[in-house]
Order: sequence, then structure tokens, then C-alpha cells
Amino acid sequence: TQLLEQSPQFLSIQEGENLTVYCNSSSVFSSLQWYRQEPGEGPVLLVTVVTGGEVKKLKRLTFQFGDARKDSSLHITAAQPGDTGLYLCAGDQNTGNQFYFGTGTSLTVIP
Amino acid sequence: DVKVTQSSRYLVKRTGEKVFLECVQDMDHENMFWYRQDPGLGLRLIYFSYDVKMKEKGDIPEGYSVSREKKERFSLILESASTNQTSMYLCASGGGLGRGTEAFFGQGTRLTVV
Repeated sequence: TQLLEQSPQFLSIQEGENLTVYCNSSSVFSSLQWYRQEPGEGPVLLVTVVTGGEVKKLKRLTFQFGDARKDSSLHITAAQPGDTGLYLCAGDQNTGNQFYFGTGTSLTVIP
Repeated sequence: DVKVTQSSRYLVKRTGEKVFLECVQDMDHENMFWYRQDPGLGLRLIYFSYDVKMKEKGDIPEGYSVSREKKERFSLILESASTNQTSMYLCASGGGLGRGTEAFFGQGTRLTVV
């Protein structure tokens, strides 16, 4: 069983469109991270959110941590082909040294 | 520039072989991790280590073992490779993960067991 479920699993959109990716759990996390992974590479950290209700912006990317700290979303405005990749959320429960990773969302932005 | 280096990008091994995947980090991190990545399943933790010679099982340790003799090196061992261990293997390191600290990943090893 996965602690973190992401939706959608696959997303293919045209350049310039907006999109939202969701990361949901029934468990509470003390912090949540979003990573992006390009083909043939390891995941790279985009952002960490630690406070319920927190919103962080990174250029065209907006990240939100749910008030109850059980879910998160990633919104991309005016998607570009360079945004193509696998997006992974990861959370920790402060009960040790491991992260729990989500199931992943594969995004393709078509020029 | 921080770095996590995995010894091989691609490996092809035969069923029953003993396989070693090596990972080296240059950031002096205490914690190191091995994940396997399969489509639709995200990253699943195999083992992690929080100190030299210390290790803990993750979610899917069966069929794997690990070795951490030096702080910078964490090895994953497939005792007797099987076809269901064909996967992408990712090594990561991070200082004090569990408090939202960044994980740094290697480039991955794509292992095929035939």
C-alpha cells in the first residue's frame, strides 16, 4: 500500500495550458516535498513545505500544503515543454529517517 | 557541486547471479538510501543507513542486503538476482531526513535480469 497517492498518473497537455497535480494521503506529514525527475536522471528537489496551509511559489509553479497536512498540490501556469518530466511528492512523518514517496505523475507538455 | 554517484547506469545480469550496486556521496551525509522505481509505484524504499555499519529495512527488503563500511559509500546487494528485480535503482543521501531536509539522488542504475 502507498501512503501517498498522486493523481493523475499521466498528463499530456499543450504548451501554454495550466495544470494541477495532486498528492493525497490519509496520514499526517510533518513536511512534504516535491521532486521532478527527467528521463535518465535522479529526482531533483523543487520545494519543501512544512506548515499546514502553506503556499510556495517558484516562478510558474505554485505548491500548497493542505491545512491538515495530509495532502498537497502542485499547480503549473502556462506549461512549457521544459516542464516535461515525472513529478513526485514525498513526505516524512518525523518517525525516523525515511521518506515516503508518492506514486508519481508523468507530465508531457507538447509544443 | 554536491554529488551522489552510482557505479553503473545500465546493468544486465543473469538469474541467480550476485549483483552489487555501488553508491558514493561527497556531502558527508549520515543518511543514505536505496530505492527501486517502477512505473505507477513511485519510489519504494529497500534499505537505509543512518550511520556507518548501521542499516534498517525499508518497505521491500526481501532479496536484498546492504553494506555501509564507510560513511561515503552505500552498497546494495542482490544475493541471487531474479527477473522480478528488473527495475531502476536509485541511491540517495541526505542529512537528517525526517525533518524535511533535501534528498540528493544519483542518476540511477537500470538493472535488467534475464
